[in-house]
Amino acid sequence: SQTIHQWPATLVQPVGSPLSLECTVEGTSNPNLYWYRQAAGRGLQLLFYSVGIGQISSEVPQNLSASRPQDRQFILSSKKLLLSDSGFYLCAWGGGVELFFGEGSRLTVL
Amino acid sequence: KNQVEQSPQSLIILEGKNCTLQCNYTVSPFSNLRWYKQDTGRGPVSLTIMTFSENTKSNGRYTATLDADTKQSSLHITASQLSDSASYICVVGPYNFGNEKLTFGTGTRLTIIP
Repeated sequence: SQTIHQWPATLVQPVGSPLSLECTVEGTSNPNLYWYRQAAGRGLQLLFYSVGIGQISSEVPQNLSASRPQDRQFILSSKKLLLSDSGFYLCAWGGGVELFFGEGSRLTVL
Repeated sequence: KNQVEQSPQSLIILEGKNCTLQCNYTVSPFSNLRWYKQDTGRGPVSLTIMTFSENTKSNGRYTATLDADTKQSSLHITASQLSDSASYICVVGPYNFGNEKLTFGTGTRLTIIP
């Protein structure tokens, strides 16, 4: 069966520091991969999605970036974090109309 | 602008009681509607997925209904349990394949008290 791993689960970072969140999927090949952000009181916001290695589409302009160095690995990065980057970040993989989420990474920027 | 509105924002009920959560959407085109359950601090988990041609779908004690004409959906929870305490998110998809253009509701926070 397919599983999705996301880490770290919790992260506290100062403003201006870099960020790296990682996500890996097991049990499937060539998955569509997604990064979402969930802010309090708001619906999930799609940040990036990828349909293959090296193929990244950005939905929202921001100081975040994503990379897909391997088929089942998706990385969310930032060179300099802003206070507004705080939130709950979710990685997901999907096929058809199915969407499977990871456990999330809680980022607090101070 | 595509929107998904959920009501109520929060709900508290006694264990064993039934409840119904509402979802209204203005999404075009429309292909499918999904309900997810999200425990606090966890990722959402799919409960039901309905296409525009389906009126109802069940998953154990969860039953979702869809009226594509009025653009409304509901999630009915029967004989609630403490483990049902979570946020329930309604999601609408415009296409019958892919997840790139989903519109998410802000969720209903359900609390079950003993």
